[in-house]
Amino acid sequence: NAGVTQTPKFRILKIGQSMTLQCTQDMNHNYMYWYRQDPGMGLKLIYYSVGAGITDKGEVPNGYNVSRSTTEDFPLRLELAAPSQTSVYFCASSYSRGRNTGELFFGEGSRLTVL
Amino acid sequence: GDSVTQMEGPVTLSEEAFLTINCTYTATGYPSLFWYVQYPGEGLQLLLKATKADDKGSNKGFEATYRKETTSFHLEKGSVQVSDSAVYFCALNTGNQFYFGTGTSLTVIP
Repeated sequence: NAGVTQTPKFRILKIGQSMTLQCTQDMNHNYMYWYRQDPGMGLKLIYYSVGAGITDKGEVPNGYNVSRSTTEDFPLRLELAAPSQTSVYFCASSYSRGRNTGELFFGEGSRLTVL
Repeated sequence: GDSVTQMEGPVTLSEEAFLTINCTYTATGYPSLFWYVQYPGEGLQLLLKATKADDKGSNKGFEATYRKETTSFHLEKGSVQVSDSAVYFCALNTGNQFYFGTGTSLTVIP
């Protein structure tokens, strides 16, 4: 029962480095999301995808890129890391996206520090 | 725009105390409302939900009622346990995306 799996769990980057956060789900969900969680700020949507080959920007997309080549995988790419990207990142998926969506299924999170 | 406001923490309670975490929302249309819980070191998981006015969501002894007249979805539990220590997030879904509150940290002491 894997659900949503994120790697790595922890990472320290230097300013200007790049990296990819991996996310995979085994529930055959069409909808996938990347959120960042900052202290006292709740969760902010970075990017989302409604299916393979389709992605769109969320609330805070600057500095990030995504791709969705398969239903299962939704990697998040950080180019030229900046201290402002220090955060905890959560990948999530859902079966549908309408207002009656049952729930979002979350991964365990990836804690990223940019120094 | 659409948003959720929930009471700030941290909240510390003794075991068996009564819990209320306030949540109010602003939304156009008719959102669905949710409470998510995040245990230490884990991702968020759904605790309960309500999809229309006057609906009551319940799970694990927690309850919340969708109050359209007061735009609220307060979380309550009659007798908290140490295992309820976690961060609780109120959220709404308007059909386009989820909006989350800032989270309320709850610590229950024996």
